[in-house]
Amino acid sequence: KAGVTQTPRYLIKTRGQQVTLSCSPISGHRSVSWYQQTPGQGLQFLFEYFSETQRNKGNFPGRFSGRQFSNSRSEMNVSTLELGDSALYLCASSPGTARDTQYFGPGTRLTVL
Amino acid sequence: GQQLNQSPQSMFIQEGEDVSMNCTSSSIFNTWLWYKQDPGEGPVLLIALYKAGELTSNGRLTAQFGITRKDSFLNISASIPSDVGIYFCAGQGGAGGTSYGKLTFGQGTILTVHP
Repeated sequence: KAGVTQTPRYLIKTRGQQVTLSCSPISGHRSVSWYQQTPGQGLQFLFEYFSETQRNKGNFPGRFSGRQFSNSRSEMNVSTLELGDSALYLCASSPGTARDTQYFGPGTRLTVL
Repeated sequence: GQQLNQSPQSMFIQEGEDVSMNCTSSSIFNTWLWYKQDPGEGPVLLIALYKAGELTSNGRLTAQFGITRKDSFLNISASIPSDVGIYFCAGQGGAGGTSYGKLTFGQGTILTVHP
């Protein structure tokens, strides 16, 4: 089975712009979670989608949003980028129950200038 | 946001030595997970623990789910150079709140192995 894929792998944006990141889960997985990883804050949970519905969200501002499509692929969007949004954005997929193990993609490295 | 307390923050060891790291939390979790991350890549699952008191091995790795459900440890025996990386503990589920899809991570342990 193919693993979790994320595109693009690297992205450079300037402050004020918006960005969309994509995640394709492992085949058959219906849950996609997103995380932000920074040196200062570590790995922080952004939100989780299952069957096109957001079931859970972390403590991030409304500039961070996401969606999931009927094929379970997910996108996250960050609007009005700030310097502090520079991070590695990781998505993880799982079958979808509360105790399922999550498998991570390679991440998208976002740099905001 | 909440993070687990993972220690040590870093370790420098000789090849062949054993390694131990642990995580503690003020909250209980239903699942404890250990991941390894190489630079520029996503975390890779090493071991998953689903039951308090559970002791699980995966090759040279052994991990335990604490009886109180508030802690876990990971041991690596006979370390080799490819063990180099950052190790993270993560907790999932627990008392109260919505846990779907949410992992709470430790700060990570940076492991360096000298040949």
